[in-house]
Amino acid sequence: AQSVTQLDSQVPVFEEAPVELRCNYSSSVSVYLFWYVQYPNQGLQLLLKYLSGSTLVKGINGFEAEFNKSQTSFHLRKPSVHISDTAEYFCAVSFFHNNAGNMLTFGGGTRLMVKP
Amino acid sequence: DGGITQSPKYLFRKEGQNVTLSCEQNLNHDAMYWYRQDPGQGLRLIYYSQIVNDFQKGDIAEGYSVSREKKESFPLTVTSAQKNPTAFYLCASSMDLGHGGTYNEQFFGPGTRLTVL
Repeated sequence: AQSVTQLDSQVPVFEEAPVELRCNYSSSVSVYLFWYVQYPNQGLQLLLKYLSGSTLVKGINGFEAEFNKSQTSFHLRKPSVHISDTAEYFCAVSFFHNNAGNMLTFGGGTRLMVKP
Repeated sequence: DGGITQSPKYLFRKEGQNVTLSCEQNLNHDAMYWYRQDPGQGLRLIYYSQIVNDFQKGDIAEGYSVSREKKESFPLTVTSAQKNPTAFYLCASSMDLGHGGTYNEQFFGPGTRLTVL
């Protein structure tokens, strides 16, 4: 079965510390991979995506993620977080459902809490 | 400004009542989607539409209905048959569904928080 798992529901971290948010998926088909950010009571904004090519992808706000095919992971990292990074982060995968590259399956979300 | 609007932002409903959530986009996108968000469960797909007058059930369609009479509009009705309708509802759109493995970004609206009293 195809699924997306975000291993941590909450990640507390101090300001200026590095952070990693973990995402694993299960699939027997090719995938596209995404990270979205959601600020309170707002919609989702795309942080970064992996479609093909280099496995290290850089996104907005200083975030980056690395696609590891053998471990079926797509972890999100930032070397130094700011208070403004406090938000919910969603990993999403396109499993090419019905050959449609835009159909997304989301993980449960990770709440990043940056403390001063 | 191009984008997706959802209204209202907050909605309260009594048990047993149907309620319709609005979603409008002026991005000229063919594909539109409705998701439900619950704490710890991420987003789950309710319905999607790839073209006017066509829509398909997602993973959790029971208790919901949609219509797509215009390209820019994709309203969602939460019926009294939905057992637990209190949630945050997000609408999204993309240029198309990405057939053939192509990719177009999904853009999200600001959401509607529905509370059943």
